Amino acid sequence: AQSVTQPDIHITVSEGASLELRCNYSYGATPYLFWYVQSPGQGLQLLLKYFSGDTLVQGIKGFEAEFKRSQSSFNLRKPSVHWSDAAEYFCAVGAKAYDMRFGAGTRLTVKP
Amino acid sequence: DTAVSQTPKYLVTQMGNDKSIKCEQNLGHDTMYWYKQDSKKFLKIMFSYNNKELIINETVPNRFSPKSPDKAHLNLHINSLELGDSAVYFCASRRDRGPNTGELFFGEGSRLTVL
Repeated sequence: AQSVTQPDIHITVSEGASLELRCNYSYGATPYLFWYVQSPGQGLQLLLKYFSGDTLVQGIKGFEAEFKRSQSSFNLRKPSVHWSDAAEYFCAVGAKAYDMRFGAGTRLTVKP
Repeated sequence: DTAVSQTPKYLVTQMGNDKSIKCEQNLGHDTMYWYKQDSKKFLKIMFSYNNKELIINETVPNRFSPKSPDKAHLNLHINSLELGDSAVYFCASRRDRGPNTGELFFGEGSRLTVL
């Protein structure tokens, strides 16, 4: 089965600074890749996804992610973080056979 | 209308009891899931159903029994509750057709506390 690693458990950035959250996956074929965000006490909301084609994908709230097959990575980026971006971020890898696995999550704290 | 709805949102119960969590989706999706999120926020897949058939059954104790009466519903019944079952349980449905195939839609979660 596929697996996902998010190396950073917790990241703190200052408001207005740039952000990069790391995600590495393991899967035998080209996976479906996702980033979800979870605000406290809420369910998960999709930020962006990669299925095929252009390896740089744009999402909601100004986020983008780049798929790098050679590095088995799908890192999430944002050029300027807002205080409202503080949340838990999950990378996920899905396969056609319905299996969807999530990373352990990265908690983002935004300093004023 | 809520796309994926779970009830109850909060559940507090004693060890040894049996409880159920219900999930309904009105998105017309064929695939539904149960995930368990522990206190460290780790999301672990438990079950997946496609067209009422069990597709994924992770190494979950058989005290957990999912039931899908139709494509729009996936309920989770838990027997003989243990302290370690305390967690937030998320239901999700998956788009299986069209340009956004594979995207999961989550309910708001059901927080289970076992005392």
